Amino acid sequence: QVQLQESGPGVVKPSETLSLTCIVSGGSISSDVSYWGWTRQPPGKGLEWIGNIFYSGSTYYNPSLKSRATISVDTSRNQFSLKLSSVTAADTAVYYCARHGTACSGGTCYPSGGRYWGQGTLVTVSS
Amino acid sequence: EVVLTQSPGTLSLSLGERATLSCRASQSVGSNYLAWYQQKPGQAPRLLIYGASTRPTGIPDRFSGSGSGTDFTLTISRLEPEDFAVYYCQQYGSFLTFGPGTKVDIK
Repeated sequence: QVQLQESGPGVVKPSETLSLTCIVSGGSISSDVSYWGWTRQPPGKGLEWIGNIFYSGSTYYNPSLKSRATISVDTSRNQFSLKLSSVTAADTAVYYCARHGTACSGGTCYPSGGRYWGQGTLVTVSS
Repeated sequence: EVVLTQSPGTLSLSLGERATLSCRASQSVGSNYLAWYQQKPGQAPRLLIYGASTRPTGIPDRFSGSGSGTDFTLTISRLEPEDFAVYYCQQYGSFLTFGPGTKVDIK
């Protein structure tokens, strides 16, 4: 059973960069049938997809966050990370990491639904 | 961007009743790449349905998904106590987007 665990600071100052890591256990991050991703949820609100990465380094980002988000993978440590720059109070949320499946169409494959999720970590943007 | 709309916003039902949740897309969802999630307070989302109608291993068969193109439905055949939660649809045919959610609460 794959398990994911988010880690990182619980408080980030405005204009700084939010950095989170997701440690994967019980399975290899180098799986060729999995994408690894981040989703967030502001307090009391709905879910917002941030982006996904394949173990090879291919990335997919929410267009609304693409200019500020960077997702990277470290296969040697079986973990992947999120950096979100120039944060504001609007970035306060619970951040989840997840393992997504693969959807293929016309010979090209993309991330699909998130099958395994971390418990989530609350990041508050505040001075 | 594919925008998802879910209705109703809140559904109030009794134990044992049938729940029908709707998800409508602003444009056709490629290859019916539509998923449904359940989320309870303080918990991560749980994948219930992918590919519009396929249940992952371990999901009870009282949950079923249907639909194609722009209109999709999640049906819970008989509500159990643990089914009262918020349900989100998500499309992954063009990037990934979530709907705003439907809350199923006890009548």
